[in-house]
Amino acid sequence: DAGVIQSPRHEVTEMGQEVTLRCKPISGHNSLFWYRQTMMRGLELLIYFNNNVPIDDSGMPEDRFSAKMPNASFSTLKIQPSEPRDSAVYFCASSFRLSGENTEAFFGQGTRLTVV
Amino acid sequence: AQKITQTQPGMFVQEKEAVTLDCTYDTSDQSYGLFWYKQPSSGEMIFLIYQGSYDEQNATEGRYSLNFQKARKSANLVISASQLGDSAMYFCAMRSNNAGNMLTFGGGTRLMVKP
Repeated sequence: DAGVIQSPRHEVTEMGQEVTLRCKPISGHNSLFWYRQTMMRGLELLIYFNNNVPIDDSGMPEDRFSAKMPNASFSTLKIQPSEPRDSAVYFCASSFRLSGENTEAFFGQGTRLTVV
Repeated sequence: AQKITQTQPGMFVQEKEAVTLDCTYDTSDQSYGLFWYKQPSSGEMIFLIYQGSYDEQNATEGRYSLNFQKARKSANLVISASQLGDSAMYFCAMRSNNAGNMLTFGGGTRLMVKP
């Protein structure tokens, strides 16, 4: 298996532009997480999907952020409009969730976003 | 709500020695899982080891072992025979069914292995 695939690996955009980050989870996994990592705030959970349904989006910083999972093999995180403070590394992770089990999540390589 | 605390922002260890990275957690759930991840300077997040809350034995994976003390709510990572390649950030994380199965991370510990 190729693992969790994120694209792009690097994105540089101007303030005010729309940014879309993409994630393909591991085939067969039914849970998907989006995280943001910065030096100041560490790893923050933005949103969590289970069986393509958003379970908790309390970590999404504001309305400029939105995430979708139209099917089991694809998810997007969109920022519109982007701001310099959104600059961070964004990780997608997936896992296979069994009822009553707590399984490990596997991470993609991350997307390094720079908003100038 | 669940919370993970890693109190050591940075640590040094001499090559070939063992090192313990601390992790404490707070949860009211009875069923949960504890995880350690390694993040080298290249940035990827690498899963290292898992401990279930009902597991009676401490988890081990090669040179990694987890010192699980349930009553103290601690899940320390022990790395034996440190290698230069162990220099990285290490994150402790937790998932629990009652917290929606979310994976919550601590702030991390930067480990530096000295030759």
